[in-house]
Amino acid sequence: EAGVTQSPTHLIKTRGQQATLRCSPISGHTSVYWYQQALGLGLQFLLWYDEGEERNRGNFPPRFSGRQFPNYSSELNVNALELEDSALYLCASSLGAKADTQYFGPGTRLTVL
Amino acid sequence: GEDVEQSLFLSVREGDSSVINCTYTDSSSTYLYWYKQEPGAGLQLLTYIFSNMDMKQDQRLTVLLNKKDKHLSLRIADTQTGDSAIYFCAESLNTPLVFGKGTRLSVIA
Repeated sequence: EAGVTQSPTHLIKTRGQQATLRCSPISGHTSVYWYQQALGLGLQFLLWYDEGEERNRGNFPPRFSGRQFPNYSSELNVNALELEDSALYLCASSLGAKADTQYFGPGTRLTVL
Repeated sequence: GEDVEQSLFLSVREGDSSVINCTYTDSSSTYLYWYKQEPGAGLQLLTYIFSNMDMKQDQRLTVLLNKKDKHLSLRIADTQTGDSAIYFCAESLNTPLVFGKGTRLSVIA
């Protein structure tokens, strides 16, 4: 069974640009989570989607947004990129909104120059 | 509030046992997790324990939970060089997970 997949593996952008990151959950999982892992800051929760709806949001500005598609895959968009947005962005999925166990993808490394 | 604390570094010799400790603050957590992250990779779920359990063993891994002290530990028996990684403790109250900053385990051959 395929795990959580993310694309691209690496993304290089310049300040002010927009970035789009993609995630496909494990087959049968309806919940998708996004986390940011910046150097020295640990893992910070960004967004949670379940059944196409945004269920929860972390303490990030509105330029971080996303969506979940009918096939449960998800997209994270970061607008007006800042240098501090450089980080590993991890996506995780779980069976559903009440399922706690999250399985992670390999991440997308975003570098903002 | 929610906060998970771990020591940042641990160094052990190959073949010894490693014990990684974690404290959490929210007694309502239902599950507690251990994830492993190798360099440049995502997080691999190692094991988890339900909050009404005291101990869980899975091959070389033993998880101990002291709910009274809000203390969680991960013991790795017969530590190998392939165990070198960052280990994250995480608690689940309601989604999302709250992670510690991770313990970097170095295994000396």
